[in-house]
Amino acid sequence: GDSVTQMEGPVTLSEEAFLTINCTYTATGYPSLFWYVQYPGEGLQLLLKATKADDKGSNKGFEATYRKETTSFHLEKGSVQVSDSAVYFCALSNAGNNRKLIWGLGTSLAVNP
Amino acid sequence: EAGVTQFPSHSVIEKGQTVTLRCDPISGHDNLYWYRRVMGKEIKFLLHFVKESKQDESGMPNNRFLAERTGGTYSTLKVQPAELEDSGVYFCASSVRTGGSPLHFGNGTRLTVT
Repeated sequence: GDSVTQMEGPVTLSEEAFLTINCTYTATGYPSLFWYVQYPGEGLQLLLKATKADDKGSNKGFEATYRKETTSFHLEKGSVQVSDSAVYFCALSNAGNNRKLIWGLGTSLAVNP
Repeated sequence: EAGVTQFPSHSVIEKGQTVTLRCDPISGHDNLYWYRRVMGKEIKFLLHFVKESKQDESGMPNNRFLAERTGGTYSTLKVQPAELEDSGVYFCASSVRTGGSPLHFGNGTRLTVT
């Protein structure tokens, strides 16, 4: 069945460092891909998404490109801030499954000043 | 607009007891989803309502779990009797339409079964 594999955390970075969180997927058809973020004490929020191959999702300085050839959707940010400390989840949704999301394990990010 | 709200935020119960979790979706959102994250594992889909009807309940783990959405507004998820492995964070989400519209998540209910 469909699955998402995310790099394990926790990830600890200094402010202004470059961030990459790897995400690969296995799916039939042409899924939509998502990154969700959960800040401390809050619910899950959609960070960005891409619905077809080569699409780039971007938001708040984060980017991820839907790579069908490598079945990947890696999350990147050029310069992280302390406020980016959160848990990041990669997820996919396949057409026709009523938005039933398949999730990765989540990667905890801590950014130190 | 008010977001998705979940009650309670935390619940600690003993094995064998009953717990009921509640989710109030955003007003006007016909679609309501329950998800669960067990410690150290992925978030898993539990079920999906469209208004008051269960569209997909393939993720419900067993018959100790009962979800309802009477009147198509708020939803409850009852666990009876609770087992240790039911501990985790239960998330509720809602959306306007099934496809294309974003999911709005609540803050989750952290359930601890001792």
